[in-house]
Amino acid sequence: EDQVTQSPEALRLQEGESSSLNCSYTVSGLRGLFWYRQDPGKGPEFLFTLYSAGEEKEKERLKATLTKKESFLHITAPKPEDSATYLCAVQAPYSGNTPLVFGKGTRLSVIA
Amino acid sequence: KAGVTQTPRYLIKTRGQQVTLSCSPISGHRSVSWYQQTPGQGLQFLFEYFSETQRNKGNFPGRFSGRQFSNSRSEMNVSTLELGDSALYLCASSLPELVGETQYFGPGTRLLVL
Repeated sequence: EDQVTQSPEALRLQEGESSSLNCSYTVSGLRGLFWYRQDPGKGPEFLFTLYSAGEEKEKERLKATLTKKESFLHITAPKPEDSATYLCAVQAPYSGNTPLVFGKGTRLSVIA
Repeated sequence: KAGVTQTPRYLIKTRGQQVTLSCSPISGHRSVSWYQQTPGQGLQFLFEYFSETQRNKGNFPGRFSGRQFSNSRSEMNVSTLELGDSALYLCASSLPELVGETQYFGPGTRLLVL
């Protein structure tokens, strides 16, 4: 069964204190790994898609990387507005537009 | 480009009732997926529709059903509501033709069952 595990469950950072969130996965052949940000009471907001080991993508203070077994979301010099739950999801190689399997998320709090 | 829209945004029902939720995908997106989000289980896949056909289905009881219309809009229905059906129901749309295509989520419908 495809599994996605995110760590830590919660992370509290001071403004400007860089850190990384982890997403480890077990899936037989990865079709895509997705990072989303979710604010309370809202739907997940798309951040990045990674397809193959070694791939990296950046957006403002966020950088996502991918290996064969895990992905990291690096947050550089975070600001309070980066506070949110960050979700990781994988898509397995079946036919059609297969469902995403999500991790439970990391709740990030950035304190000014 | 307008994003995914979901109606209603909030809903309160009592046990035993049924409910219908609606989702309008991003223009040009033909695949619509539904997810249930609860604090304990996180996001779990319900089903996916493409060209008015259910293409994938998650591990939920038959009380959960859906459909898609010719304009790609989708509805999901939950019959005989139970307390445990209280959740945020999320709809996501994507272009299904490409491998690993990104799914874009709507704001969700918050369902409370009393």
